[in-house]
Amino acid sequence: DAGITQSPRHKVTETGTPVTLRCHQTENHRYMYWYRQDPGHGLRLIHYSYGVKDTDKGEVSDGYSVSRSKTEDFLLTLESATSSQTSVYFCAISDPTQSGNYGYTFGSGTRLTVV
Amino acid sequence: GENVEQHPSTLSVQEGDSAVIKCTYSDSASNYFPWYKQELGKRPQLIIDIRSNVGEKKDQRIAVTLNKTAKHFSLHITETQPEDSAVYFCAASKGSSYKLIFGSGTRLLVRP
Repeated sequence: DAGITQSPRHKVTETGTPVTLRCHQTENHRYMYWYRQDPGHGLRLIHYSYGVKDTDKGEVSDGYSVSRSKTEDFLLTLESATSSQTSVYFCAISDPTQSGNYGYTFGSGTRLTVV
Repeated sequence: GENVEQHPSTLSVQEGDSAVIKCTYSDSASNYFPWYKQELGKRPQLIIDIRSNVGEKKDQRIAVTLNKTAKHFSLHITETQPEDSAVYFCAASKGSSYKLIFGSGTRLLVRP
């Protein structure tokens, strides 16, 4: 659906364990983004990528790292999960240089619970 | 960095009435302002957007207005219907990263 998939859809993990979330796109879009969504905070940018191996921090990057070794995959890693990282994580893609359209397409989200 | 504030946080209207959601942004260099609709348990979806060289844009029952001087933009929904009930997010971006900074969201309830 919409050429972007996130995995897993749901995950429960224990405090202190590393967790990796995957975003996969088939649209060949240059830009990819990771957001977290929490009640009262809207969507907050964690990290983003503007090309293979090109990434940068967003508003709430502490405790997270990312990697993009291929155009189609953008991985988000929680290095040592904490309860404050319990959230819904959304990946998004865009490519204004390709389509002239600045809008994002979002994935379906990953609901992560840290216990 | 950019900061986007959105009001109100909740809005309840009678079916057929109009709804207005307002956002302000802090960075005068921001030049792209989209609105997203998110239904319960679903992903956010783009419903309308506007660039800084335009003051108003309409698409059927929805419209967005932009006041660059005051650094605020608004979403207008006319003739509201129950299926308009959702959470709406405004956002702003600038420059070559195209990264969006979102407002905190407005939960719209349309009462039949």
